[in-house]
Amino acid sequence: SQKIEQNSEALNIQEGKTATLTCNYTNYSPAYLQWYRQDPGRGPVFLLLIRENEKEKRKERLKVTFDTTLKQSLFHITASQPADSATYLCALISGAGSYQLTFGKGTKLSVIP
Amino acid sequence: GAGVSQSPSNKVTEKGKDVELRCDPISGHTALYWYRQSLGQGLEFLIYFQGNSAPDKSGLPSDRFSAERTGGSVSTLTIQRTQQEDSAVYLCASSLNSASAGNEQFFGPGTRLTVL
Repeated sequence: SQKIEQNSEALNIQEGKTATLTCNYTNYSPAYLQWYRQDPGRGPVFLLLIRENEKEKRKERLKVTFDTTLKQSLFHITASQPADSATYLCALISGAGSYQLTFGKGTKLSVIP
Repeated sequence: GAGVSQSPSNKVTEKGKDVELRCDPISGHTALYWYRQSLGQGLEFLIYFQGNSAPDKSGLPSDRFSAERTGGSVSTLTIQRTQQEDSAVYLCASSLNSASAGNEQFFGPGTRLTVL
């Protein structure tokens, strides 16, 4: 069966360190993968998209990698700040022509001052 | 510009009652999605509208759930004869075009539904 898993429900990290979040999937051949941020009581906010033919994408302090052999995406926040504390969701589109995004359950990141 | 708005923000209802949840997408966005998010769970796809095409209702959990999108803009999600397991946050999202093109989804703040 198809599964998308974010390995940690919660991750605590010291301010200034690099946070690394993991998203694994099985039985998908995603055309692309997206990462969203969700704050309590709010809807998710789009952060980054990476396509199947891309290895890495960067945006300011954010970096996403996509390894279609390992079936894994890593999401990095460098020089983490308390304001980065939130739940981060990965989502993938299952294949060309598909329009359904499937979301992981998310990882709650807490950056400790 | 305005983002996606949803109303009401909170809804408390009694088991067996019908509820209507409203979504106003971003103007010009042709794709509209409804999701459900239960405590500790990921976003569960419910229904997808794209332009004037027939909606994809494959995620609706039962025939008590229905949705429509009038004039390609505002959408209403209706839950009939609500059950306690319907309690969740219902999120609406819109995107410029279909997600197949990689378009980011813009989410509303959600409606928190509590069924007593």
